[in-house]
Amino acid sequence: QVQLVESGGGVVQPGRSLRLSCVASGFTFRSYGIHWVRQAPGKGLEWVAVIWYDGSHKYYVDSVKGRFTISRDNSKNTLYLQMNSLRAEDTAMYYCARDEWFGELSWAFDIWGQGTMVTVSS
Amino acid sequence: NFMLTQPHSVSESPGKTVNISCTRSSGSIGSNYVQWYQQRPGSAPTTVIYEDNQRPSGVPDRFSGSIDSSSNSASLTISGLKTEDEADYYCQSYDSINVIFGGGTKLTVL
Repeated sequence: QVQLVESGGGVVQPGRSLRLSCVASGFTFRSYGIHWVRQAPGKGLEWVAVIWYDGSHKYYVDSVKGRFTISRDNSKNTLYLQMNSLRAEDTAMYYCARDEWFGELSWAFDIWGQGTMVTVSS
Repeated sequence: NFMLTQPHSVSESPGKTVNISCTRSSGSIGSNYVQWYQQRPGSAPTTVIYEDNQRPSGVPDRFSGSIDSSSNSASLTISGLKTEDEADYYCQSYDSINVIFGGGTKLTVL
């Protein structure tokens, strides 16, 4: 069964850090690009970042550049999102999502995790 | 970057057909594939249409996608509406190294 399972969310104070994880199963993780997508409460979807299948390229939405870092460990089938200098506006459900294409990026998503909630509040 | 504009909400009766539009603000709608995602309340999104008009396995053929260059828009059509189709629907495309989502359309089946 193809699956993505996120963890690591929680309540954190502004300015602090948090690391999210996304564990993949049921497919060849090392062959797919993976994205992070977030959704603020009651709002729409917002793409956050992507990492190439081999980790060679990473791209971010402007609002998180310099604060968030996407990484992966293909030996552990795990994707990460290191979030530093968190702000109230980062409060959202964070989803990891598999890129549709094998071996390259389609910039579309075919498999989504169930999400992990991040709340930034004092 | 361009924007994707969707109606905020649509409603239709069970058994009927509904179309949800997604209009691209600049550049050609055909330049980059459009995807559609369904998000039921309290759940993660799932893909219902990819690459403009392709349906993932397991998605009923009541769901179809198309693009129209004359209106520079994409459309999601759901026929034979069921109450289980009630959800938010998001269109999505991309530009260079940036993913763009529409604002979402709330479908009410009443």
